[in-house]
Amino acid sequence: DGGITQSPKYLFRKEGQNVTLSCEQNLNHDAMYWYRQDPGQGLRLIYYSQIVNDFQKGDIAEGYSVSREKKESFPLTVTSAQKNPTAFYLCASSIDRGVNEQFFGPGTRLTVL
Amino acid sequence: QQPVQSPQAVILREGEDAVINCSSSKALYSVHWYRQKHGEAPVFLMILLKGGEQKGHDKISASFNEKKQQSSLYLTASQLSYSGTYFCGTEAFDAGNMLTFGGGTRLMVKP
Repeated sequence: DGGITQSPKYLFRKEGQNVTLSCEQNLNHDAMYWYRQDPGQGLRLIYYSQIVNDFQKGDIAEGYSVSREKKESFPLTVTSAQKNPTAFYLCASSIDRGVNEQFFGPGTRLTVL
Repeated sequence: QQPVQSPQAVILREGEDAVINCSSSKALYSVHWYRQKHGEAPVFLMILLKGGEQKGHDKISASFNEKKQQSSLYLTASQLSYSGTYFCGTEAFDAGNMLTFGGGTRLMVKP
């Protein structure tokens, strides 16, 4: 079955550590996105990529980094520069850069101890 | 700037109707609607494009007022499965395919 997978589902990190969240899709989608969701709030865009080897900053990119070396993979690194990283992180993809529905992964809940 | 959703929360009995509104201060090219159940990923409901085109499920209806930059989602004859948080995502003309999501509307349908 086609879909988006994110791992791990739960992640705990000590302050000052970098951590990488995985996002893989087998939908053959060109565009991929990373969102952050805080309790009781909407989704805020961190980074997005419309094609391999290209990505753009979203509204809250500070303290995060991404790569897009393969079409199916779009990992997100939460660096120690991110002051408040505890949140629910959602990865999504859409078929191309046009106006299309986004398919979301199950999310990773990151907690900084 | 984040679109504003109203109401923030609504409680319905099964079979009742509800309207969820989404308003933006920017000129919009499209409005997307998603539903998220607690602890789960958002699920696509509908896209409304400038010019009247719609993409989405037949059982969901929505409108897009291009002059007012407002969209409304209509939930009729609600079912228990409609419970969740509804988000609108707006795509402004200067956004380059980026969506900006509203804060969400929590809907609870009771038996």
